[in-house]
Amino acid sequence: GAGVSQSPSNKVTEKGKDVELRCDPISGHTALYWYRQSLGQGLEFLIYFQGNSAPDKSGLPSDRFSAERTGGSVSTLTIQRTQQEDSAVYLCASSPDRGGSYEQYFGPGTRLTVT
Amino acid sequence: AQTVTQSQPEMSVQEAETVTLSCTYDTSESNYYLFWYKQPPSRQMILVIRQEAYKQQNATENRFSVNFQKAAKSFSLKISDSQLGDTAMYFCAHMDSNYQLIWGAGTKLIIKP
Repeated sequence: GAGVSQSPSNKVTEKGKDVELRCDPISGHTALYWYRQSLGQGLEFLIYFQGNSAPDKSGLPSDRFSAERTGGSVSTLTIQRTQQEDSAVYLCASSPDRGGSYEQYFGPGTRLTVT
Repeated sequence: AQTVTQSQPEMSVQEAETVTLSCTYDTSESNYYLFWYKQPPSRQMILVIRQEAYKQQNATENRFSVNFQKAAKSFSLKISDSQLGDTAMYFCAHMDSNYQLIWGAGTKLIIKP
């Protein structure tokens, strides 16, 4: 079946512009995660959606970052007034639910470059 | 704060050799999950192996196995008969009680022909 997809795969934007990154999770997965990965680094948690519960936004680095998940499926991560330090790969992952294996299935990521 | 430490930034071995990647973590919880993920140059993060803390038996998946030492909070990954396709970044991760993954900084593994 289809895996997690993300779009665009690469995005170059000018400092100060807003960007939207999209994630399509695996159908039926109730949990969705956004991570940021800077060059050569591990993953930094950003936000977590679980079903209809309020999202866990504890990892968002500033109020310029926001995310929503419509209809319990597609999610959009928005970065307003982008800064050069926002340049990174943004990874999305989905998981079936809180029970079971807890395995997270990752998308290919969006590489964001802020010039 | 919960942390995951991977002390080897980079390792290099010859094809067909066995290699062990180290990982230590810190947690006050008694039941949790540990993971090893692989990230090849394609950027796609792939689950390699998973260990449930309440299980004493070490997890194995074909050429991949772990040495889970709960008291020492150690979770190393052993790759046997290494192959060129094993070249990748390897990340150790611990799932906390909020179902979030705490990640190590990664180990870059290079398999030489």
